Amino acid sequence: AQTVTQSQPEMSVQEAETVTLSCTYDTSESNYYLFWYKQPPSRQMILVIRQEAYKQQNATENRFSVNFQKAAKSFSLKISDSQLGDTAMYFCAFMEYGNKLVFGAGTILRVKS
Amino acid sequence: EAGVAQSPRYKIIEKRQSVAFWCNPISGHATLYWYQQILGQGPKLLIQFQNNGVVDDSQLPKDRFSAERLKGVDSTLKIQPAKLEDSAVYLCASSTGVTGTDTQYFGPGTRLTVL
Repeated sequence: AQTVTQSQPEMSVQEAETVTLSCTYDTSESNYYLFWYKQPPSRQMILVIRQEAYKQQNATENRFSVNFQKAAKSFSLKISDSQLGDTAMYFCAFMEYGNKLVFGAGTILRVKS
Repeated sequence: EAGVAQSPRYKIIEKRQSVAFWCNPISGHATLYWYQQILGQGPKLLIQFQNNGVVDDSQLPKDRFSAERLKGVDSTLKIQPAKLEDSAVYLCASSTGVTGTDTQYFGPGTRLTVL
């Protein structure tokens, strides 16, 4: 079974600085998809970024980018120019064909002013 | 475009009572998911529907949980009887169901407290 591990339960960063959240996963599949979701306090989960495993180029969405290392089965999220609104729980998730998402335990990110 | 709607947002019940949650997916989305998110953990899939058929319910505790998606649109998730360990946020999500690797969009969730 696929597993997703987020080794950092909590992290904090100063406003305007850069922070990287770590994620590793385990799979025997060659084609799959990886996601980062953000869950603000008492608000719904929203998609931050998506990466297809067959693409070598790392995905980016404005201030959010990933470092996808397929051989190492690593998928980290970098947030540049951190803002107070980035404070949230961040989940790394894995999907193979069939639409089934497997989530990690999450990392709480606190952005400090 | 309206997002995934869920109700109620909060529910408090006594153990052994029954409870039902409702979800309305994004219009046109064929696939609907129910997740259980226990405090401090990532969401865990309970059941996945494709239109009005069940694709995966392998992690649904069928002795007490049931779900249906009549007419392939709205869905309800029921717990009867509830146990203390059912306290969690129940998330509904939907996706287009076109490619088999579709992005899922989540509703605000229902926070259930079982006393």
